[in-house]
Amino acid sequence: DQQVKQNSPSLSVQEGRISILNCDYTNSMFDYFLWYKKYPAEGPTFLISISSIKDKNEDGRFTVFLNKSAKHLSLHIVPSQPGDSAVYFCAASAGATNKLIFGTGTLLAVQP
Amino acid sequence: GAGVSQSPSNKVTEKGKDVELRCDPISGHTALYWYRQSLGQGLEFLIYFQGNSAPDKSGLPSDRFSAERTGGSVSTLTIQRTQQEDSAVYLCASSRLAGVFYNEQFFGPGTRLTVL
Repeated sequence: DQQVKQNSPSLSVQEGRISILNCDYTNSMFDYFLWYKKYPAEGPTFLISISSIKDKNEDGRFTVFLNKSAKHLSLHIVPSQPGDSAVYFCAASAGATNKLIFGTGTLLAVQP
Repeated sequence: GAGVSQSPSNKVTEKGKDVELRCDPISGHTALYWYRQSLGQGLEFLIYFQGNSAPDKSGLPSDRFSAERTGGSVSTLTIQRTQQEDSAVYLCASSRLAGVFYNEQFFGPGTRLTVL
């Protein structure tokens, strides 16, 4: 039972264009959502997050959108840069332990 | 150190042997988490520590897996009688006190375990 799903295993975009990564979840108890970025042989690094009481959070080139009725969130990167090439994980948290439930990741390749 | 550290970075073992994986969290972080990433999978939660106690062990896949934390700092994940399906990258993360408001989890680089 996969509670957090990333249906696109990979995405390729041109430098300067928008990258849109999608994530769906099934558990309505999730109250916090995050995106992590991961390079090979490194641990995931936090990118951006959103509380369930909001529908948008923006940080520089990164914006996360949350649609609670559709149980869907997305990460927009504008403009995309070659250094953004990495695996992006969507994650959700619920409860006092703050443990994270992760999706399977999307490999983003930004072509120069 | 400034970040979460894990050792060893790589571990190759034979099926049936026991292994110990170590995590040094960020100083002052009271919450500590173990996750693992199997090939082609997302990160899977294993266990959560608050101080030295583990109120959530729900992700441990079998009784061959155990973990402890001492002094509210270093944690060790032990896998007994390793099986090939245990092969994965084991990641440790730490954060300030977990609670109603989410506190960012900082991840270590992971230990890549290969069971032959």
